[in-house]
Amino acid sequence: EAGVAQSPRYKIIEKRQSVAFWCNPISGHATLYWYQQILGQGPKLLIQFQNNGVVDDSQLPKDRFSAERLKGVDSTLKIQPAKLEDSAVYLCASSPGLAGGLRSEQFFGPGTRLTVL
Amino acid sequence: SQQGEEDPQALSIQEGENATMNCSYKTSINNLQWYRQNSGRGLVHLILIRSNEREKHSGRLRVTLDTSKKSSSLLITASRAADTASYFCATSDKLIFGTGTRLQVFP
Repeated sequence: EAGVAQSPRYKIIEKRQSVAFWCNPISGHATLYWYQQILGQGPKLLIQFQNNGVVDDSQLPKDRFSAERLKGVDSTLKIQPAKLEDSAVYLCASSPGLAGGLRSEQFFGPGTRLTVL
Repeated sequence: SQQGEEDPQALSIQEGENATMNCSYKTSINNLQWYRQNSGRGLVHLILIRSNEREKHSGRLRVTLDTSKKSSSLLITASRAADTASYFCATSDKLIFGTGTRLQVFP
């Protein structure tokens, strides 16, 4: 079974520039998550999709971050404009079921390491 | 605010020893999960324990859950150098991870 794919793996940009990350979840997984992980901390949920609908985006900084999941499969996360504090690893995960359910174990991609200069 | 808080923050042991790490959370849950993160394999799901379960085993892993104390523990028996990683708990309902326990296993 293929895992969660993410690209790019690394990205270096200057502050105020824009950046986009792509995620392809495991086939058939209904739920997709984007996390931000700052060095030394645990992952912080940014947004959760069920199929192509948003379930939770309460921690997404909507003035600069946006995400979409077209056709309930692939997803993109965009930052525009980037700030220095956005430097982090951005993780995508998918799960076969819904959060809180018995099939809610998450499968994570390798992440995109973003450096904002 | 953190939903899952792990302790200790760091743990160093020798191969063959057991490692125990703890997790506390704040609200009621349907289930709790443990994950491992290392540089080689990224973040990997280890085990899920439901709120009506008190203990669960998976290979060398043993997880306990005490909903009255809102706490869980992860025991790794007969540790190996390959167990060196950060371990996180996460409550599935709110999907909030703690800061993790960094485990170092020396050969």
